[in-house]
Amino acid sequence: QVQLQESGPGLVKPWETLSLTCTVSGDSINSDYWSWIRQPPGRGLEYIGYVYYSGTTYYNPSLKSRVTISVATSKNQFSLKVTSVTAADTAVYYCARGLYPGSGTDIIDLWGQGTLVTVSP
Amino acid sequence: IQLTQSPSSLSASVGDRVTITCRASQGISSYLAWYQQEPGKAPKLLISGASTLQSGVPSKFSGSGSATDFTLTISSLQPEDFVTYYCQQHHSYPITFGQGTRLEIK
Repeated sequence: QVQLQESGPGLVKPWETLSLTCTVSGDSINSDYWSWIRQPPGRGLEYIGYVYYSGTTYYNPSLKSRVTISVATSKNQFSLKVTSVTAADTAVYYCARGLYPGSGTDIIDLWGQGTLVTVSP
Repeated sequence: IQLTQSPSSLSASVGDRVTITCRASQGISSYLAWYQQEPGKAPKLLISGASTLQSGVPSKFSGSGSATDFTLTISSLQPEDFVTYYCQQHHSYPITFGQGTRLEIK
């Protein structure tokens, strides 16, 4: 059974860097697309970006200047960094797996449970 | 690509059939997915490609549409169905989501 688990600090100070790691179990990270998505409390879902197992990345233009997603295949993990955070970055952060069907984008079929990150002094 | 769901909330009774609509700001062929999200949990993929039901998802859920107009229909509502539903386009990056439809018990 494939599982994804987010880990990292739940509290980050304004203007510092948010860092999260997603550990994948039950599946090799050496395939597929690995994404981050966030959801501010009581609000909708925002796509952050993906890393392909080869290291290729895509970032949502709305966050591109502040986001880095990387993969560590030897550890079966991938990570998210968001720099210069503000209160607007407070959200539940989900890591997820995407399967590419041959056209369009990948389809996000499996999510981690999510982790709440609060930006506060 | 902007996705607009309607309604934002919907009241229905157990046993009812309901339809949620998702409209795309440009044509996306059949590249539309639907997710179900329970409070405090991650979204669950129900349908991709506008109408392809995911393995293990009950046949009470069905999707249809193409280009800019899509629907999710849920029949024979049960208490566990009264949660929030999101549409999402998988046509092009950045992937985008609708704002969500909260299904409430009448």
